[in-house]
Amino acid sequence: QVQLQESGPGLVKPSETLSLTCSVSGYTVRNVFYWSWIRQPPGKGLEWLGGFYGIGNTHYDNPSLKSRVTISLDTSKNQVSLSLSAVTAADTAVYYCTRSVAPKYYLELWGQGILVTVSS
Amino acid sequence: EIVLTQSPGTLSLSPGERATLSCRASQSVSNNYIAWYQQKPGQAPRLLIHGASSRASGFPDRFSGSGSGTDFTLTISRLEPEDFAVYYCQQYDGSPGTFGQGTKVEIK
Repeated sequence: QVQLQESGPGLVKPSETLSLTCSVSGYTVRNVFYWSWIRQPPGKGLEWLGGFYGIGNTHYDNPSLKSRVTISLDTSKNQVSLSLSAVTAADTAVYYCTRSVAPKYYLELWGQGILVTVSS
Repeated sequence: EIVLTQSPGTLSLSPGERATLSCRASQSVSNNYIAWYQQKPGQAPRLLIHGASSRASGFPDRFSGSGSGTDFTLTISRLEPEDFAVYYCQQYDGSPGTFGQGTKVEIK
């Protein structure tokens, strides 16, 4: 059974870079599938941050994040990573790692999520 | 960017009743690229419906999706206690993929 597990610091200071890792178990990450990060501020709705498609190593991001998002795939570690630069309190949220078959596909698999708080 | 508007914001119903949730898009969604997700407190969302009407594995047939163009509906024919949750629609036709603000189905 494929599972996704997010990890990383639960507290990040303003203006710093938020870095999270999604560890994939039950499946060997290859340059297929489409990996996205979604976030959910406390008590609010869902926002798609960006994605990485192994085929073609294509990176997609949400223009509203103004190029602050980087997503990468590490097949040797079976991990997907997220970096979000220049964070502010508005970036406080639960961050989810997800998997789809390809871009323009539904999010078939979700990690359990990790709460990241931005505060000094 | 395609904006999705869900209504109502909260639906107060009793077990056994029928729930009808709406998701309206600001422009037509091609290929019915609409998904619905169920989220329970403290849990990640879980895929419920894709392609507007295809039910994901693990969900019973009391859940159904319908619609096309700009208007989509999620129906729960008879609410069970485990169905009380928040439901989000998402379009994956345009980039970025966007979500509705959610409909909370609560016990009356």
